[in-house]
Amino acid sequence: KNEVEQSPQNLTAQEGEFITINCSYSVGISALHWLQQHPGGGIVSLFMLSSGKKKHGRLIATINIQEKHSSLHITASHPRDSAVYICAVRSGNNDMRFGAGTRLTVKP
Amino acid sequence: EAGVVQSPRYKIIEKKQPVAFWCNPISGHNTLYWYRQNLGQGPELLIRYENEEAVDDSQLPKDRFSAERLKGVDSTLKIQPAELGDSAVYLCASSSGGDYGYTFGSGTRLTVV
Repeated sequence: KNEVEQSPQNLTAQEGEFITINCSYSVGISALHWLQQHPGGGIVSLFMLSSGKKKHGRLIATINIQEKHSSLHITASHPRDSAVYICAVRSGNNDMRFGAGTRLTVKP
Repeated sequence: EAGVVQSPRYKIIEKKQPVAFWCNPISGHNTLYWYRQNLGQGPELLIRYENEEAVDDSQLPKDRFSAERLKGVDSTLKIQPAELGDSAVYLCASSSGGDYGYTFGSGTRLTVV
């Protein structure tokens, strides 16, 4: 079993839909990251969370430390949101563990 | 700020040939990571440096892979000889530690034929 599990693995949505991507982890962490990777591109860090909730534009990330679970929400989704979204957790020694990613396709 | 710079972006080589990747981290970032990402999977750590010291290389296949970070700034990752299974994207990331996030480079897509 992977230390970081993401669901769903693939997600297709219509433009304007509300999207949720989930991440569960089984190790102790100091922070959780949500990353975005476009096809052929590098990885961009969207959020870093250690508790609570963060919002940036149409993106919202939440984390529940007790339940070892985080969610990434996208409101009013747009085709340009199509990408792979990766959850990564960081332990106290700066070690990072990554989920396999969720491939999101938003259709116009 | 140029971000984390990697080169080359793409590399195609024949099996058994050597290959090297280069990474220039963000200025002042002490921690540097090399990751390998296979298609459809998340990145896997190969090696992590704190300044010039490799503090975690447990996942680095040392029979064919080597890395260095002279002077604690730029880093190179080498594969010699390359195998077909080494085809992947090799990502470099850097961090200043603490509560700051990571910054990734654009990666080098390696194809071994």
